[in-house]
Order: sequence, then C-alpha cells, then structure tokens
Amino acid sequence: DAGVTQSPTHLIKTRGQQVTLRCSPKSGHDTVSWYQQALGQGPQFIFQYYEEEERQRGNFPDRFSGHQFPNYSSELNVNALLLGDSALYLCASTWTSGGWGTDTQYFGPGTRLTVL
Amino acid sequence: KNEVEQSPQNLTAQEGEFITINCSYSVGISALHWLQQHPGGGIVSLFMLSSGKKKHGRLIATINIQEKHSSLHITASHPRDSAVYICAVRPPNYGGSQGNLIFGKGTKLSVKP
Repeated sequence: DAGVTQSPTHLIKTRGQQVTLRCSPKSGHDTVSWYQQALGQGPQFIFQYYEEEERQRGNFPDRFSGHQFPNYSSELNVNALLLGDSALYLCASTWTSGGWGTDTQYFGPGTRLTVL
Repeated sequence: KNEVEQSPQNLTAQEGEFITINCSYSVGISALHWLQQHPGGGIVSLFMLSSGKKKHGRLIATINIQEKHSSLHITASHPRDSAVYICAVRPPNYGGSQGNLIFGKGTKLSVKP
C-alpha cells in the first residue's frame, strides 16, 4: 500500500515563473491538504481539497491555487513566483467521507522548491 | 503570539536520558497531534490525542485539555530519536469538513551517543 507520494522531489525556478506540484494521496483517502514549510518554521496550511472542491483555505494569496482530480490526486499551482515562496511544500491526505472519517493525516515527503 | 507554542526550541541530550517536549495552545481544539520530521522533510505522525495519555514504545504523549497543554516524553533516548518534533492542533470540525492543522515551530532534538 503506497503512502502519500509527491512529485517532483526538488524544483528550481526563477522569479515570475509558474510551478505545479503534484500529490497522490494514500490509498482510500479522499481529502488532500497542502502546507508550506519555510526553513526553520512549522508548516503553514495553504488549502484543503475534498470532492474536487477547495473546502478550506489558509492565509495565502490567490497566486496559490489548486485542483483535485476524480482519483483524489491533487495539484498545487503557484503563479508569479517570489523569492519568499522558496520552501518545502507538504501534501497530506486523510479520509473525510462526509465528516465521519479519520482524523489522522498522512504526510508525503514534500517537494523542495527553490526560487532564484 | 502564535496559537501553538513549543518549548524548548532546541534540545541536546545524552543517550539514555529522559526527554520532555512541551506544547501549549491558545485555541479550541478537537485533537492534538505530535509529529516527527527527519532531515529531508518527511513527516511521520506519532500520536493523535483528544484526552489523557497515549504510549507507543518509548514515546508517551499526554494532554491536559483544561490547561491547553500537551507533553511528549521520550524514555531511554537514542541517537536515532534525533529529529524535529512538531506539535499541531486541529480546530473543531465545521460542517463535516476536517479542520486544518495549526502547527508549532517544532523542537529540534539532538541525542548524542
């Protein structure tokens, strides 16, 4: 049983570019959350997708957008990259199923984004 | 002030020592998580607590809901326990949607042989 997978592992972009990060949830999970972790900081919640819709959003600008596909996998898109977007981007999955699912999130290994 | 505060920020211990990491939070929660993050980024969920105490091997986690405080204890510490330990809280569920996690900044633990 594969856990949460993310791609790519590392990514280097320049300011102003756009980036897409991908996440496949753990088998049986239907909810994907994205987090940004700056160096030396705890992760910050970006948004959460369930039933192909953004259900919750943290304090991030509209440059950060996402998508969830029918197979529950998800993408995180960041437009007009800034130097401050350099961080580890973590994806976590869980099973919600109408609110009666588990409360435990399973994290992927993350994508390390460097913006030059 | 952060909603989730951890102490200490950094901790160095000798192999075999008993270790305590503390977490205080200022918001209402439905659950509290203790997570372990190794260099390179991978995060592993250690415990999820909503009350009382849980034990897994050499790890013990406690929570006091009234005092909004949780502790993670490691008995007989070992160099392989070296990692960042993160406390995260989950606000109460809203309308069937799982609340997001609010993270502390983490405690960097280094266990020397």
